Amino acid sequence: QQQVKQSPQSLIVQKGGISIINCAYENTAFDYFPWYQQFPGKGPALLIAIRPDVSEKKEGRFTISFNKSAKQFSLHIMDSQPGDSATYFCAASMGETSGSRLTFGEGTQLTVNP
Amino acid sequence: DAGITQSPRHKVTETGTPVTLRCHQTENHRYMYWYRQDPGHGLRLIHYSYGVKDTDKGEVSDGYSVSRSKTEDFLLTLESATSSQTSVYFCAIRGRRAGANVLTFGAGSRLTVL
Repeated sequence: QQQVKQSPQSLIVQKGGISIINCAYENTAFDYFPWYQQFPGKGPALLIAIRPDVSEKKEGRFTISFNKSAKQFSLHIMDSQPGDSATYFCAASMGETSGSRLTFGEGTQLTVNP
Repeated sequence: DAGITQSPRHKVTETGTPVTLRCHQTENHRYMYWYRQDPGHGLRLIHYSYGVKDTDKGEVSDGYSVSRSKTEDFLLTLESATSSQTSVYFCAIRGRRAGANVLTFGAGSRLTVL
């Protein structure tokens, strides 16, 4: 049972465009929603994260939009660059009581063409 | 990768043989995790540890065991490897960043079971 569903599986964007990746979750006990970025041959690395008490968080070109009522959140990459080409994972956790275990989405392979 | 070392990085083995993957950290973190990464599934939690000799199961724990005899080492053992356990295995440690628990991942161990 996949508790966090991610789409699309793959995404191709032109340099300078906006990349948008969407995630939906089922468990309303989730209270922390990070996005991880993974380059080939490397482990995932934390990119940006949000808690459900805010609707948006921005760090540089990366923005998370969060819709608590719809149980959805998305990653927006503005002015996408070839260096952003990577696999992106959304995730969710229930915090301390669950040992901060992360439940991941299936991943989105982003390709930014020059 | 932030004080996490996984070994071996690559291993090819045959069905039915035992395999042990090692995760070593230099940061004295209490929580450590083992995930496996497979196409279309994202990362799935196998087992995690919340202290020396304290471990718990994740969502895909069947066929795996773990041990943590000292803070810095978390071992993942496949008692009798099967082809379905061909995967990339990632270890993670839990730290704090900006007031939140953050998982930092190692570089991964690619296991092929023939």
